[in-house]
Amino acid sequence: DVLLVESGGGLVKPGGSLRLSCVGSGFPFANYSMDWVRQAPGKGLEWLASISTSGRYMYYADSVKGRFTISRDNTRESLFLQMNSLRAEDTAVYYCARDLMVAIVSVPAPQGMDVWGHGTTVTVS
Amino acid sequence: DIQMTQSPSILSASVGDRVTITCRASQTISTWLAWYRQKPGTAPDLLIYKASTLKSGVSSRFSGSGSGTEFTLTISSLQPGDFATYFCQQYNIYPWTFGQGTKVEIK
Repeated sequence: DVLLVESGGGLVKPGGSLRLSCVGSGFPFANYSMDWVRQAPGKGLEWLASISTSGRYMYYADSVKGRFTISRDNTRESLFLQMNSLRAEDTAVYYCARDLMVAIVSVPAPQGMDVWGHGTTVTVS
Repeated sequence: DIQMTQSPSILSASVGDRVTITCRASQTISTWLAWYRQKPGTAPDLLIYKASTLKSGVSSRFSGSGSGTEFTLTISSLQPGDFATYFCQQYNIYPWTFGQGTKVEIK
């Protein structure tokens, strides 16, 4: 089975830090770009960050740029999100997601997020 | 950033109904759009990508159309498991952005 399993969530005080992890299994992790998406209680989905297959390219939402860092370790089939300077508004369920890679003019390109973890809850209070 | 606006925010319907959800982008995104269904307490599921391509294994009751700034998701015959919240998402340019969601509830 293709699986993503997040961990690392918890309760943290404002200004604190947390590091989320996501382990992939059942697919060639290194061949997929990956993302972090969050959902505040009762709210919609917010894309936070993406990382390319090699880890060379990273992209961030304005709301977390400069505070959060996405990274990956393909040898451990793992994705990470280092979260610093946490605020109350960062309280949410955090999902890791795999990009659906489809060849566009012979080059694999992300086409939405086709595999999601179950989420890990971060509470800043 | 590209803003994605869905309508309606809430849609009341019955099993067997045909329903349509609209998603508008604040600037052109070609066909770089995905649709997701999220059931309560679970992660989203990808239904459609590239505006109209059905993800493998997804029921043909779902269809998508549109390009540029206007997109639609149609469910041809609502089933009990379709009462959920639907989100569109653009991936034309970073930062990727989602619509605010459309909740499909039982009439």
